[in-house]
Amino acid sequence: AQKITQTQPGMFVQEKEAVTLDCTYDTSDPSYGLFWYKQPSSGEMIFLIYQGSYDQQNATEGRYSLNFQKARKSANLVISASQLGDSAMYFCAMREGRIDTGGFKTIFGAGTRLFVKA
Amino acid sequence: GAVVSQHPSWVICKSGTSVKIECRSLDFQATTMFWYRQFPKQSLMLMATSNEGSKATYEQGVEKDKFLINHASLTLSTLTVTSAHPEDSSFYICSAIRLAGRTGELFFGEGSRLTVL
Repeated sequence: AQKITQTQPGMFVQEKEAVTLDCTYDTSDPSYGLFWYKQPSSGEMIFLIYQGSYDQQNATEGRYSLNFQKARKSANLVISASQLGDSAMYFCAMREGRIDTGGFKTIFGAGTRLFVKA
Repeated sequence: GAVVSQHPSWVICKSGTSVKIECRSLDFQATTMFWYRQFPKQSLMLMATSNEGSKATYEQGVEKDKFLINHASLTLSTLTVTSAHPEDSSFYICSAIRLAGRTGELFFGEGSRLTVL
């Protein structure tokens, strides 16, 4: 069964506008972490933002914010004031298991390709 | 942030040969590294978890004898694709977790694009 679901294969956004990329997850582990990564055409994976399962507040990192709705198991990424350089593939990821006890791994969603229009 | 270096970036080989890809954590010790495989326009699929000083843990469906992983030191993990065939052509990405960090954020190498002729 899919543990990380990104339902938007592609998204278009006008430059300077905000865009929301959807992500839902499924886990029975009470301790988990949610991540968003950006992958430009060069292939490198760039970390954007992190949300821990026990974090009370939504994470924010500059123009990126994570809309964490734990009961709905969703972790949508919001990019404000889109820039042309934001055009890339975006992956939602989930780490299950605790870092300090080992046995953890991070799995990725199918990704959403974002196109920013001038 | 932490730096993970992967080498080679590109490799082209003949069918039947073996290819070794190295993944190094340059400025931190990584007791655990992860190897992912990515087909064009698809997601990253976890292949295995590489643990320093012990055997790697492979995901279901990944052939252990095909994809040999060695994690001989705290800064180096290697993936060897043995007897490569065209269907092994893919983008292979390694990553590491810096345990001192709170989040368990993965630091990725640059990736290695393997083409088997």
